[in-house]
Amino acid sequence: GEDVEQSLFLSVREGDSSVINCTYTDSSSTYLYWYKQEPGAGLQLLTYIFSNMDMKQDQRLTVLLNKKDKHLSLRIADTQTGDSAIYFCAESITGGYQKVTFGIGTKLQVIP
Amino acid sequence: DGGITQSPKYLFRKEGQNVTLSCEQNLNHDAMYWYRQDPGQGLRLIYYSQIVNDFQKGDIAEGYSVSREKKESFPLTVTSAQKNPTAFYLCASERTGRDEQFFGPGTRLTVL
Repeated sequence: GEDVEQSLFLSVREGDSSVINCTYTDSSSTYLYWYKQEPGAGLQLLTYIFSNMDMKQDQRLTVLLNKKDKHLSLRIADTQTGDSAIYFCAESITGGYQKVTFGIGTKLQVIP
Repeated sequence: DGGITQSPKYLFRKEGQNVTLSCEQNLNHDAMYWYRQDPGQGLRLIYYSQIVNDFQKGDIAEGYSVSREKKESFPLTVTSAQKNPTAFYLCASERTGRDEQFFGPGTRLTVL
């Protein structure tokens, strides 16, 4: 079955880079996502990567995918206090409907 | 502006009562989803609907019911049969074939 794992907590200093890691188990996943959730709010899609890609960069965000190890990471350059939130890794398997499996979320704390 | 709305933002219920959570979208999306979020458990799928007048159970459907009479609306009823309903409920929608889910702001349900 599908399973997505993430560490629970990460603390970084403002201006440093943050790296949030995720592992997944289903090799048939088609897309892998990073969502951001601010307190009391819904999830906001930050970026996603196709499973046949190794890397995707979007401004301060860099996603790396190691398909062999089933490892996904999100790097946030020049982390700001506004980046403090919970970050969810998710994978999707398309087959009949869009089944998305979410990790438990990594809480990123940015220290001024 | 296009988007997904959920109401109310906070909801209190007495034990034994049914309660209905609203989810509306004006994105013209075919598919809609309901998730439950508990601390340390990520998001779990309750129900989903790929098209009007059709819906399917997700991973934790027991104690919940839904309807999909209109494309724009996908209300969730939390029944008295749900043993532990206190949670944050998130609704999402997706355009068929696009693999990106858009989330509403969520409803926090508390059972007193």
